[in-house]
Amino acid sequence: EVQLLESGGGVAQPGGSLRLSCAASGFTYSTYAMSWVRQAPGKGLEWVSTISGSGANTYYADSVKGRFTISRDNSKNTLYLQMNSLIVEDTAVYYCTKVGPSSFQDNWGQGTLVTVSS
Amino acid sequence: QSVLTQPPSVSAAPGQKVTISCSGSNSNIGNNYVSWYQQLPGTAPKLLIYDNNKRPSGIPDRFSGSKSGTSATLGITGLQTGDEAAYYCGTWDSSLYSWLFGGGTKLTVL
Repeated sequence: EVQLLESGGGVAQPGGSLRLSCAASGFTYSTYAMSWVRQAPGKGLEWVSTISGSGANTYYADSVKGRFTISRDNSKNTLYLQMNSLIVEDTAVYYCTKVGPSSFQDNWGQGTLVTVSS
Repeated sequence: QSVLTQPPSVSAAPGQKVTISCSGSNSNIGNNYVSWYQQLPGTAPKLLIYDNNKRPSGIPDRFSGSKSGTSATLGITGLQTGDEAAYYCGTWDSSLYSWLFGGGTKLTVL
């Protein structure tokens, strides 16, 4: 059974940083692309970033480009999202997803809440 | 405003059928697979349909997907109160080089 467990959420000040982690199990982690998707309170889903299975290719939404960095450690079956220069609009639940062959978001974690507030 | 357009809400009675539309363009729906996600209140989203019309294991055949040109449709038959949720379409955009979600549609089963 695929399991994705996010951690690292919390409260940060504007301009601050947070690092999210996602521990994956139940599948051959290194062979799948992974993504982060977020959802602001009461709003819809917003794709944030995707990384290829090897980690060689990364993609970002314009709203986070230059501020967020996605990475993975295939030896630890763990996905990361380093979030710098946080702004209030980054407040959201952040979900880790396993990406299917045609780029759909196959499996989802339970999410971790990030609150950016002074 | 989302690049993929969905109606904000739809409603129908138990046992009835409902469809949810998702409209895009050639750079997204027109040339890429569409997937659909269900988000029950207070829970994480779940994959319902992938590759336009395929159901993951465990998803009942009451849920179906189709695509024509630059639009896609999610169909739900035999509506149950447990189907009350937000539904999102999603696809890759080859011009924006981004994954897109629709704005979401809230289904109410009256």
